[in-house]
Amino acid sequence: GAGVSQSPSNKVTEKGKDVELRCDPISGHTALYWYRQSLGQGLEFLIYFQGNSAPDKSGLPSDRFSAERTGGSVSTLTIQRTQQEDSAVYLCASSLDRALFSYEQYFGPGTRLTVT
Amino acid sequence: AQRVTQPEKLLSVFKGAPVELKCNYSYSGSPELFWYVQYSRQRLQLLLRHISRESIKGFTADLNKGETSFHLKKPFAQEEDSAMYYCALSSGKLVFGKGTKLTVNP
Repeated sequence: GAGVSQSPSNKVTEKGKDVELRCDPISGHTALYWYRQSLGQGLEFLIYFQGNSAPDKSGLPSDRFSAERTGGSVSTLTIQRTQQEDSAVYLCASSLDRALFSYEQYFGPGTRLTVT
Repeated sequence: AQRVTQPEKLLSVFKGAPVELKCNYSYSGSPELFWYVQYSRQRLQLLLRHISRESIKGFTADLNKGETSFHLKKPFAQEEDSAMYYCALSSGKLVFGKGTKLTVNP
């Protein structure tokens, strides 16, 4: 079946502009996660959703970052007034349930964001 | 605070040689640990998890609570094992190490 999909695959934007990154999880997966992968920094947890609610937003780097999930499916990560340090690969993952984190997380291909 | 440390950014071995990718963690509770792998131009994917005690593609990892380690081992490395490997800790959220790039030379 289809895996996690993300769009766009690449995004180049000017500093100060807003961007929206989209994630389509695997059908039936109730948990959805956003990570950021920066050069030399590994994977940084941003936020996760259980259904449409986001109990843990502690990883969002600043209030310029926000995310929402509608219908328990698609999620959008929005970065307002982008800065050069926001340049990274943004990864989305989904899993059957978040209650037990031992459920395998399935990752999307990522969106490479470049802020010029 | 939860932390995962992978001390080696780069690791290079020859085909057929044993390989060990180190992972140390810091967590006060009972940890759940994972190894994820990302092959060139592929998605990040789960390799193995400690609760399963399984061997995947010849890799094993043993949780050592005394040493707070979860090193990944394979007795005979293959060229197709070349990839980026991430150790991760589940603590209410998944905390990743910075990764080790493994290169297996012919």
